[in-house]
Amino acid sequence: GNSVTQMEGPVTLSEEAFLTINCTYTATGYPSLFWYVQYPGEGLQLLLKATKADDKGSNKGFEATYRKETTSFHLEKGSVQVSDSAVYFCALMAEGGSEKLVFGKGMKLTVNP
Amino acid sequence: NAGVTQTPKFQVLKTGQSMTLQCAQDMNHEYMSWYRQDPGMGLRLIHYSVGAGITDQGEVPNGYNVSRSTTEDFPLRLLSAAPSQTSVYFCASTPQNGGGYTFGSGTRLTVV
Repeated sequence: GNSVTQMEGPVTLSEEAFLTINCTYTATGYPSLFWYVQYPGEGLQLLLKATKADDKGSNKGFEATYRKETTSFHLEKGSVQVSDSAVYFCALMAEGGSEKLVFGKGMKLTVNP
Repeated sequence: NAGVTQTPKFQVLKTGQSMTLQCAQDMNHEYMSWYRQDPGMGLRLIHYSVGAGITDQGEVPNGYNVSRSTTEDFPLRLLSAAPSQTSVYFCASTPQNGGGYTFGSGTRLTVV
């Protein structure tokens, strides 16, 4: 079946550090890939997405590139801020219109000033 | 727009009690889903719906019922609450074009 494997953390970084959160997936065909972010006490928010191979999603300084050859969708940010402290989830939606999201287990990030 | 609205935000139930978690969206989205979030488990799909009158089971459907009588509403019913259903529940919706789900703010349920 379809699955997502991501770094689980928790991870603590200093402000302005570089961030990478690894995400790999298992699925047939070309799923759509997503990163969601959950701030403390809130629901999930869509951070970025990519729907086909080599697409790059970007938002709020975060980027992720859909790599079909390595089945990966790693999240990166060049300089994190305290306000980026949150839980980050990688997710996929299978090709074919089922519209069901499969999530990784999430990674908690804490950024210290 | 209100987006996806979930009520209540917090609930404590005794084992064996039943209750309904409400979910409403005002974006005319066709697809709606219920997830539960447990520590170390990520989010797991309970039930989903591709339109009014159509529902199907997700990964962890046991102990839960859903119905979709209107496009806007997708309530989740716990038939006989068990401590294993202690969790945070999220409702989400998306348009049919796969633009990405919008999530509600969640319901934190404790079963004692």
